[in-house]
Amino acid sequence: KQEVTQIPAALSVPEGENLVLNCSFTDSAIYNLQWFRQDPGKGLTSLLLIQSSQREQTSGRLNASLDKSSGRSTLYIAASQPGDSATYLCAGQAGTALIFGKGTTLSVSS
Amino acid sequence: DGGITQSPKYLFRKEGQNVTLSCEQNLNHDAMYWYRQDPGQGLRLIYYSQIVNDFQKGDIAEGYSVSREKKESFPLTVTSAQKNPTAFYLCASSQLRGIPTYGYTFGSGTRLTVV
Repeated sequence: KQEVTQIPAALSVPEGENLVLNCSFTDSAIYNLQWFRQDPGKGLTSLLLIQSSQREQTSGRLNASLDKSSGRSTLYIAASQPGDSATYLCAGQAGTALIFGKGTTLSVSS
Repeated sequence: DGGITQSPKYLFRKEGQNVTLSCEQNLNHDAMYWYRQDPGQGLRLIYYSQIVNDFQKGDIAEGYSVSREKKESFPLTVTSAQKNPTAFYLCASSQLRGIPTYGYTFGSGTRLTVV
């Protein structure tokens, strides 16, 4: 059964730092991998989608990569800002639906 | 604007009562999903549907029921058989294009509390 692990569970950084969030999955036979952001009490906002034929995606200060052979994905956030404070969720699809990690809660201080 | 609408935002249920959570999408997506989120846990799949009048159980379907009479709508009923229903419920949809999905879109969620 597919399991997704996110490390670290929580992260606190000062404004301006570059940071990396990690995601690993047990089944390398995934189709897509998607990174989401969740603010407290809110739904999920899609950040980046890496489809099966791709290895990375970029959007603004965000870059996500996928290495199927090692079962790992990383989300890189450049020049972090207080507005980046949220929980970041990684989700992989190996079957019909997405399987989620428990998330990394990021706090960026000004 | 296209998106997913969940209602109500907050819902209170008395012991032994059934309640229904609404989920509507205008994205023309084929598939719809219900997830449950508890503090400190990842999202867990309750039910999903890939086509009208068909749906499949997810990992934690016990105590829940769904219907898919229209492509745009996928309501979730939390029955009295669900012993611990207090949670945040999220609805999602995705387009099916050969390879299972083209990314998921989520609604803003319904917070259900048992009183």
